[in-house]
Amino acid sequence: TQLLEQSPQFLSIQEGENLTVYCNSSSVFSSLQWYRQEPGEGPVLLVTVVTGGEVKKLKRLTFQFGDARKDSSLHITAAQPGDTGLYLCAGERGGGSNYKLTFGKGTLLTVNP
Amino acid sequence: NAGVTQTPKFQVLKTGQSMTLQCAQDMNHNSMYWYRQDPGMGLRLIYYSASEGTTDKGEVPNGYNVSRLNKREFSLRLESAAPSQTSVYFCASSDGTETDTQYFGPGTRLTVL
Repeated sequence: TQLLEQSPQFLSIQEGENLTVYCNSSSVFSSLQWYRQEPGEGPVLLVTVVTGGEVKKLKRLTFQFGDARKDSSLHITAAQPGDTGLYLCAGERGGGSNYKLTFGKGTLLTVNP
Repeated sequence: NAGVTQTPKFQVLKTGQSMTLQCAQDMNHNSMYWYRQDPGMGLRLIYYSASEGTTDKGEVPNGYNVSRLNKREFSLRLESAAPSQTSVYFCASSDGTETDTQYFGPGTRLTVL
């Protein structure tokens, strides 16, 4: 059973379009992170959201953490070819002293020029 | 700073052979992790080390062993490789505090024939 479900799995759009990627779970997370991974490289952190209802903006990227801390979304405005990559959400369930992340399967985004 | 380094970058093994994947970080992080990434499966935690001298199993530990050699280095060993272990392996490190960032290495692409 996948703890974090990401949708869509694949997304191919034209430059300038807007898009939203979703990360959903039936479990509550103490925090949720979004990473981006480019081909042949490891994931790189984009943002961490901690508070239910929190919205964070990173240039053209807007991240939201659901009120119940079970889901999150990533919205990209006016996508550019440089946004192409695999977007991964990862949740931390909290508790104990060992902090581990559970990753979703990812959304592979292709932005065509 | 080099961040997280992994060796080798590519490896081809025959079934039954053994090998050790090396990982080192120069950020003075307490925690280190080994993940595998397979198509359509996202990142799955194999083993982690919350601090020097401790290691714990993750989601998919069978067929692997780890050693936290010192604070900088965390190695992953395949004693008898199987085709099911064909994957991309990522090492990561973090401060080990809640909501902290995990920094990933560039990955090792392993093929078991």
